[in-house]
Amino acid sequence: DVKVTQSSRYLVKRTGEKVFLECVQDMDHENMFWYRQDPGLGLRLIYFSYDVKMKEKGDIPEGYSVSREKKERFSLILESASTNQTSMYLCASSFSGRGGRVTDTQYFGPGTRLTVL
Amino acid sequence: DQQVKQNSPSLSVQEGRISILNCDYTNSMFDYFLWYKKYPAEGPTFLISISSIKDKNEDGRFTVFLNKSAKHLSLHIVPSQPGDSAVYFCAASDTGNQFYFGTGTSLTVIP
Repeated sequence: DVKVTQSSRYLVKRTGEKVFLECVQDMDHENMFWYRQDPGLGLRLIYFSYDVKMKEKGDIPEGYSVSREKKERFSLILESASTNQTSMYLCASSFSGRGGRVTDTQYFGPGTRLTVL
Repeated sequence: DQQVKQNSPSLSVQEGRISILNCDYTNSMFDYFLWYKKYPAEGPTFLISISSIKDKNEDGRFTVFLNKSAKHLSLHIVPSQPGDSAVYFCAASDTGNQFYFGTGTSLTVIP
């Protein structure tokens, strides 16, 4: 069974704080992803990584950065948290796809509900 | 610009009846589609997938239908059970780097 864990289920931070969200997967997946989920907007991709030390911007990277120093761990960093970053943050991982596809089915962690005051 | 759309934010169905959740997409290059189910305070869990070489894929009570010419897919749940009450997301991908997710449909199955 694939297991993706996230360091916190709920987090409350103040505007301007630096925030670290950690994600760990135990299935040796090459790819890891960070999404945010907001009502009426679905899941939007922030960043992803297809290898250690590699990262790619998703659809909404502004205000975020990421770090992948080890294959199993992918961190999302909010350098200076703002109220519009209040959201549910979801981490996912996947194997690389077959036939040239970069990503196969993604497996998600339980999410971190971040509130920025 | 939303490439994957779920136009029904919510759906209520009586227990035992069929639930039909719909999803439309705009990118004709999408060739792999998935449905995820999400309970409150949990991450999405993979439900069923379909590749564009098929028009139907079945797994127990869940069937996904793909109509490539209409750029439309649907998820059928038969029979619906109260435990199926959740938010359902469809997602689509080409051979690129990411999946594009719809906005979700909240299904309520009434006992």
